[in-house]
Amino acid sequence: EVQLVESGGGLVQPGGSLRLSCAASGLSFSNFWMSWVRQAPGKGLEWVANIKQDGGEKYYVDSVKGRFTISRDNAKNSLYLQMNSLRAEDTAVYYCARDYRRTGWFADYWGQGTLVTVSS
Amino acid sequence: DIQMIQSPSSLSASVGDRVTITCRASQSISNYLNWYQQQPGEAPKLLIYGASSLQSGVPSRFSGSGSGTDFTLTISSLQPEDFATYYCQQSNSPPRTFGQGTKVEIK
Repeated sequence: EVQLVESGGGLVQPGGSLRLSCAASGLSFSNFWMSWVRQAPGKGLEWVANIKQDGGEKYYVDSVKGRFTISRDNAKNSLYLQMNSLRAEDTAVYYCARDYRRTGWFADYWGQGTLVTVSS
Repeated sequence: DIQMIQSPSSLSASVGDRVTITCRASQSISNYLNWYQQQPGEAPKLLIYGASSLQSGVPSRFSGSGSGTDFTLTISSLQPEDFATYYCQQSNSPPRTFGQGTKVEIK
């Protein structure tokens, strides 16, 4: 059974930093692209970033470019999101998801999410 | 970035109704269109990928169609567990933008 478990969320002040982790099990983690998707309270889904199997390609939504860094450790079956210079508008539940390619890309497995609150 | 516009933003329907949700892309995305269902407090669940391919384990009352810029998600006979929010997402090019969501409520 595929399991994705996020951790690292919490309350942080504006301008602060936080590192999210996603522990993967039940899949050959190193074989898949992985993504982060977030959802602000009461709002819709926003794709944040994704990373290739070997970490050699990364893509970000414009609103986080230069502030967030996606990375992975295939030896630890783990995905990360380093978030710096956090803003109130970054407050959201952050989900990690497995990317799969078949007639385009889609996220077929999701974690339960971790809440990040940016507030003073 | 490609913009995805869903309509309606919300709808009220009864069990057994046929429900259709539309999604329009700001430019052609071929058939690189996914649909997700999200229940309150839960992670999204993939329903449809490639505009019309049903994800394994998803009931056949869900179907998708379209290509280019216009897409639809149809629920042929709404069931109690289908009351949720639905999102389309394009995967033609990054960032993989989502529509704003359509909330399906009980009439």
